[in-house]
Amino acid sequence: EIVLTQSPATLSLSPGERATLSCRASQNLRNYLAWYQQKPGQAPRLLIYDASKRATGIPARFSGSGSGTDFTLTISSLESEDFAVYYCLHRYNWPLTFGPGTKVDIK
Amino acid sequence: EVQLLESGGTLVQPGGSLRLSCAASGFTFSTYGMSWVRQAPGKGLEWASTVSDSGGNTYYADSVKGRFTISRDNSKNTLYLQMNTLRAEDTAVYYCAKHMAGATTFDYWGQGTLVTVSS
Repeated sequence: EIVLTQSPATLSLSPGERATLSCRASQNLRNYLAWYQQKPGQAPRLLIYDASKRATGIPARFSGSGSGTDFTLTISSLESEDFAVYYCLHRYNWPLTFGPGTKVDIK
Repeated sequence: EVQLLESGGTLVQPGGSLRLSCAASGFTFSTYGMSWVRQAPGKGLEWASTVSDSGGNTYYADSVKGRFTISRDNSKNTLYLQMNTLRAEDTAVYYCAKHMAGATTFDYWGQGTLVTVSS
């Protein structure tokens, strides 16, 4: 089973600041990694798929990078609606696994 | 507009059974893989099970294998999860999720249905 490790667990930032979230895999995923945003009481929302492709309707301030075992989600300038929990998910093989999440909260 | 509407979640005793449903609309259901993902209260996301577009291939997390069965009825645009021998640790919100074309990436999610396993 592929283990995904996300860091930091919590990121405290102010609106307008840049957020850099990391997801590290226990083995090579090629580019088979997605990022999701989840707000309290809501279903997750797809942000990035295949490491760097923005999903439909996702603002350009969200970007993904990386391949292999190291991946990054960057939010260039935080908006108030971006404070949430972010999860990475791999689809390289079975079982699919999620990372434990990074909470981005308001400083 | 893609819509996924889960139902069937309720309080059930340990050892009991439950069937969840997910009614899909707004896309050609029979051409997309579908999955169930669950989230225990206050915890992270956990993939539970996947079924291919035709229903011919199914996949399960070890935590549910042998107890849960995923299926679909493409004539009714509905996804199912039959849950047997339920345990307290199965308590979670269960989401159904649609796959992207040709990839096991979940692009649309339902709002979830809560399953509580408790005596």
